[in-house]
Amino acid sequence: EDQVTQSPEALRLQEGESSSLNCSYTVSGLRGLFWYRQDPGKGPEFLFTLYSAGEEKEKERLKATLTKKESFLHITAPKPEDSATYLCAVPGSARQLTFGSGTQLTVLP
Amino acid sequence: DAGVTQSPTHLIKTRGQQVTLRCSPISGHKSVSWYQQVLGQGPQFIFQYYEKEERGRGNFPDRFSARQFPNYSSELNVNALLLGDSALYLCASSLQGATNEKLFFGSGTQLSVL
Repeated sequence: EDQVTQSPEALRLQEGESSSLNCSYTVSGLRGLFWYRQDPGKGPEFLFTLYSAGEEKEKERLKATLTKKESFLHITAPKPEDSATYLCAVPGSARQLTFGSGTQLTVLP
Repeated sequence: DAGVTQSPTHLIKTRGQQVTLRCSPISGHKSVSWYQQVLGQGPQFIFQYYEKEERGRGNFPDRFSARQFPNYSSELNVNALLLGDSALYLCASSLQGATNEKLFFGSGTQLSVL
């Protein structure tokens, strides 16, 4: 059974304080790993897809990396508007995405 | 261009009632998926439809059913509501429904069962 575990559950940062979020996964045959951002009261918004170990993708202050067992979302010099829940997910065999429980990020001004 | 639209945005029902949630995908998208998100958890897969055919089903009881219409819009029905069905129900669309396609989510329907 596919499993996705995210840590930490919650993270509070001061504005400008860089950090990383972790997503570890167990899946038979990785068909990609997705990162989404979710704001309160809204649906998840797509950020990145990573397909192979060693791959990296960047968008503004976010950089996602992938190894054979985990992915990291690095946040460099975050701003308050980066506050959100960050979800990672892997595709399964039944057309589904299996999501982790997310990391709730709060960036304080 | 309009994104994925869901209706209603909020709904309050009592135990034992039935509910229908609606979803319109992004224009040109032929696949619709439904997810349930309980507070503090990630979304959990319920169904995927492509070209009106069910392509995937998650681990949910038969009280949950769905369908997709010729215009690619979709409905999710839940019968005999339980307190535990209270959640945010998310609809997502994609072009072809391939497992490695990115999904575009609507803002969801918040269902409260009393």
